[in-house]
Amino acid sequence: EVQLVESGGGLIQPGGSLRLSCAASGFTVSSNYMSWVRQAPGKGLEWVSVIYSGGSTYYADSVKGRFTISRDNSKNTLYLQMNSLRAEDTAVYYCAVEMATSYFDYWGQGTLVTVSS
Amino acid sequence: EIVLTQSPATLSLSPGERATLSCRASQSVSSYLAWYQQKPGQAPRLLIYDASNRATGIPARFSGSGSGTDFTLTISSLEPEDFAVYYCQQRSNWFTFGPGTKVDIK
Repeated sequence: EVQLVESGGGLIQPGGSLRLSCAASGFTVSSNYMSWVRQAPGKGLEWVSVIYSGGSTYYADSVKGRFTISRDNSKNTLYLQMNSLRAEDTAVYYCAVEMATSYFDYWGQGTLVTVSS
Repeated sequence: EIVLTQSPATLSLSPGERATLSCRASQSVSSYLAWYQQKPGQAPRLLIYDASNRATGIPARFSGSGSGTDFTLTISSLEPEDFAVYYCQQRSNWFTFGPGTKVDIK
């Protein structure tokens, strides 16, 4: 059974850093395309970043240069390093995997990041 | 960036009624469009991919159609568990989502 469990969210001051984790089970992270998608409180969904099986990484313009997506194959875990955080980064962050359909087939439960002083 | 527009913003219907949701793209996305359902406090769930294919385990009352710039999600007969927010998403040029349509109980 595919499972994704995010962790690492919390309250952080503007300008601070946070690293989110997404522990996967039931499949191999390094063999699939993994993304982070966020949702500001009461708002819609925004794609943030993707890491492809070959290791290529891409980012939304809103986070480029501040966020870094990575994975640890030995731990079967996806990460999102978030630096220079802003109030507008406040959101629930979901990890998601593309599998059979090339869309976001499975999602984690999300972790809330609140950027506030 | 491809912008997706969804209409209506809110759809108020009764159980058993038919729901028709629209998604329009600012430029052609071919058939690279998906629909997701999201309930309060839950992650989105993939319903339809490539415009008209149901994802695994999705009931037959959900169907999708369209290509190019105009797409439709139809729920043939609303069940109580179908009242939720529905998002469209394109993967023709990176990934963008529509703003969502809330289907609530009339």
